[in-house]
Amino acid sequence: KAGVTQTPRYLIKTRGQQVTLSCSPISGHRSVSWYQQTPGQGLQFLFEYFSETQRNKGNFPGRFSGRQFSNSRSEMNVSTLELGDSALYLCASRLEGAIAEAFFGQGTRLTVV
Amino acid sequence: KQEVTQIPAALSVPEGENLVLNCSFTDSAIYNLQWFRQDPGKGLTSLLLIQSSQREQTSGRLNASLDKSSGRSTLYIAASQPGDSATYLCAGHGSSNTGKLIFGQGTTLQVKP
Repeated sequence: KAGVTQTPRYLIKTRGQQVTLSCSPISGHRSVSWYQQTPGQGLQFLFEYFSETQRNKGNFPGRFSGRQFSNSRSEMNVSTLELGDSALYLCASRLEGAIAEAFFGQGTRLTVV
Repeated sequence: KQEVTQIPAALSVPEGENLVLNCSFTDSAIYNLQWFRQDPGKGLTSLLLIQSSQREQTSGRLNASLDKSSGRSTLYIAASQPGDSATYLCAGHGSSNTGKLIFGQGTTLQVKP
């Protein structure tokens, strides 16, 4: 059974550019959440998508956006990149219900120069 | 607002020791609690999920407990090995129908041969 797959694994972008990251959840999982991990702030919740709808949103500026497709794959987009956006971006997928174990991908390392 | 705290921030032990990692949370309304392991530059690996109705879970040399009334969870690692060296993170689920996780800052464990 394939795990959560994130692409690309590494990205280097210039300030002001935009970037799109992709996440393919475990088969059958309809919930996909995105997190930003930095040394100073730790893991912070960006947003969650379920059945193509954003269900929860963290405290990030509008430059951070996402979407989910009918096959549950999700993308997140960051526009007008800033140096502070350099981070490891992680996505997690889970089944709905009481046994709500979250499974994470390997992450995308974004470096903004 | 739910906050999760992990103590200690770092821990160094000789191989073979039994150890306890602590996680505390401010809101007893936490639903499930999940422990993860993260190796440097990698994604998160789920270790144990303690469901809302449970008090503990065991997997191999790992045992995690949850006491919602006191707002605490502990991860017990028996007979530690150098391969256990990693950062350990606890995270709270707010409810069964959200993928949002609130993370602690983690405990970085080094097990010396």
